[in-house]
Amino acid sequence: GIQVEQSPPDLILQEGANSTLRCNFSDSVNNLQWFHQNPWGQLINLFYIPSGTKQNGRLSATTVATERYSLLYISSSQTTDSGVYFCASGQFYFGTGTSLTVIP
Amino acid sequence: GAVVSQHPSRVICKSGTSVKIECRSLDFQATTMFWYRQFPKQSLMLMATSNEGSKATYEQGVEKDKFLINHASLTLSTLTVTSAHPEDSSFYICSGGGANYGYTFGSGTRLTVV
Repeated sequence: GIQVEQSPPDLILQEGANSTLRCNFSDSVNNLQWFHQNPWGQLINLFYIPSGTKQNGRLSATTVATERYSLLYISSSQTTDSGVYFCASGQFYFGTGTSLTVIP
Repeated sequence: GAVVSQHPSRVICKSGTSVKIECRSLDFQATTMFWYRQFPKQSLMLMATSNEGSKATYEQGVEKDKFLINHASLTLSTLTVTSAHPEDSSFYICSGGGANYGYTFGSGTRLTVV
């Protein structure tokens, strides 16, 4: 199956800071998604982004399919952004996750 | 968007007993649902794809007789952990939806086998 690696594995930010999370995949994917899992375990879809760039409020994502990576940008981070961010190829292959802690 | 309801959110059972987890689609018809398992501080692992009216498709290494999946209607898929043992303790999550609705996740079930 496809290997999906994420970096960094852990990230601590001061509230208001910006960050970039990266997702590398071992093979071509055409259905890349980003998810956020809050500290209580609930998973929320953030983006379906097989290619190009999308923005939703303080979050944006860019996928460069030809180079097999995707980036998630978080601007002006808030404490509610804390949790684990996963990228995934469709519903099948999830990345290793980036654990984000935003401190006030 | 698609709304998926998962119950129970937390269950503690004795070793050797069976536990059923329900996943309901509230505002759409789910021909397919996905079941995942997540260990602490690890990623989600797809266990099986549940198909309405037919047998589930299990991922390699997942015991079919241990994790029974039933998807008898377009709004309900169930996962039964049979003869549970402490090593089955985990966080189980379902997901449903589709191209028209997007995919959403249930709130998860934390199973503890004692």
